[in-house]
Amino acid sequence: SQTIHQWPATLVQPVGSPLSLECTVEGTSNPNLYWYRQAAGRGLQLLFYSVGIGQISSEVPQNLSASRPQDRQFILSSKKLLLSDSGFYLCAWRFSRGRGIEAFFGQGTRLTVV
Amino acid sequence: GDSVTQMEGPVTLSEEAFLTINCTYTATGYPSLFWYVQYPGEGLQLLLKATKADDKGSNKGFEATYRKETTSFHLEKGSVQVSDSAVYFCALNTDYKLSFGAGTTVTVRA
Repeated sequence: SQTIHQWPATLVQPVGSPLSLECTVEGTSNPNLYWYRQAAGRGLQLLFYSVGIGQISSEVPQNLSASRPQDRQFILSSKKLLLSDSGFYLCAWRFSRGRGIEAFFGQGTRLTVV
Repeated sequence: GDSVTQMEGPVTLSEEAFLTINCTYTATGYPSLFWYVQYPGEGLQLLLKATKADDKGSNKGFEATYRKETTSFHLEKGSVQVSDSAVYFCALNTDYKLSFGAGTTVTVRA
């Protein structure tokens, strides 16, 4: 079956520490993968998307980076976290179903930078 | 660029009231349109979708019709329940991008 996994579910990190959030999908190949951030009281901001291994598109300049080392793995990283990096991070997998497109989301990671 | 504008919340309703959340979009080409729902503490779930003009998406009593002439995809439900309390996101898909509105928080009181 097709599933998407994202971890950890919650994370508290000090300012200046590194970050690594991992997202993996199962049951598919060559998926389109996305990282979004949802800040408190705000909508979803697209951070990065990837259409294949090693291919990363950045939507906004950030203190963050993304990598796609394997076909079904998408990693969000930071070398030094800022307070403003706090938020709810969501990984998503976009796929075709019938005539249309759908997106399936991971459960999210709530990051608090202190 | 492609974008979605969604009715600002929060919206507070009584049980069995009628709910409508407005959504309009700007896009080149012919996007697919979606409504996603986020229950407290969870990720996003697809609620309904429409892939072309005049399509009506429906699920769990919610409906939305893809109106190309008004570039809209308004979400409606005739009789809400407490369990419908959530954040609702309108979204569109073009090329490789999924773009979301800011979200509308809906609270339904018993």
